[in-house]
Amino acid sequence: TQLLEQSPQFLSIQEGENLTVYCNSSSVFSSLQWYRQEPGEGPVLLVTVVTGGEVKKLKRLTFQFGDARKDSSLHITAAQPGDTGLYLCAGVLGNTPLVFGKGTRLSVIA
Amino acid sequence: GAGVSQSPSNKVTEKGKDVELRCDPISGHTALYWYRQSLGQGLEFLIYFQGNSAPDKSGLPSDRFSAERTGGSVSTLTIQRTQQEDSAVYLCASSREGARGYTFGSGTRLTVV
Repeated sequence: TQLLEQSPQFLSIQEGENLTVYCNSSSVFSSLQWYRQEPGEGPVLLVTVVTGGEVKKLKRLTFQFGDARKDSSLHITAAQPGDTGLYLCAGVLGNTPLVFGKGTRLSVIA
Repeated sequence: GAGVSQSPSNKVTEKGKDVELRCDPISGHTALYWYRQSLGQGLEFLIYFQGNSAPDKSGLPSDRFSAERTGGSVSTLTIQRTQQEDSAVYLCASSREGARGYTFGSGTRLTVV
């Protein structure tokens, strides 16, 4: 059973479009992180959200943590080819290592 | 070093052989994590070190897998009698004590033929 479900699994869009990807769970997390992974590289941390309802912006990326701290979303405005990659969400449950979702593979076509 | 270093970057081995994967974490990072990433799967937790001790070995798939960390620094993940299902990218990450975010290495791509 996957603790963190990410959707969609794959997303292919044109440059300039907006998109939202989701990370859902039935568990409550003390914090949640988003990572981006490019081919042949390890995941790179984008953001950590801690408080229920929290919204964080990183240039064209907007991250939201659900009020109940069970889900999160990542919204990208005016996507660019450089946004292409695998987006992974990861949750912190107590004092245990990060639990990862399977990721959303995003392809932005010029 | 500046980042987490893993070696080798690629390893092709014959079924039944033993392999050793190495991880050199960021200097001063006390926590070290091993994950496995198979095609189409997320990151599967294997083992975690705090200093030289491993409080959580729950993710090791079988007794063919073992890991050690010496001097609070370099870690080695050993897979004995490799099987084809062991083929995956093995990722190592480290973090400072109390930090939430992990810094990952580029991984070792293991192919068992």
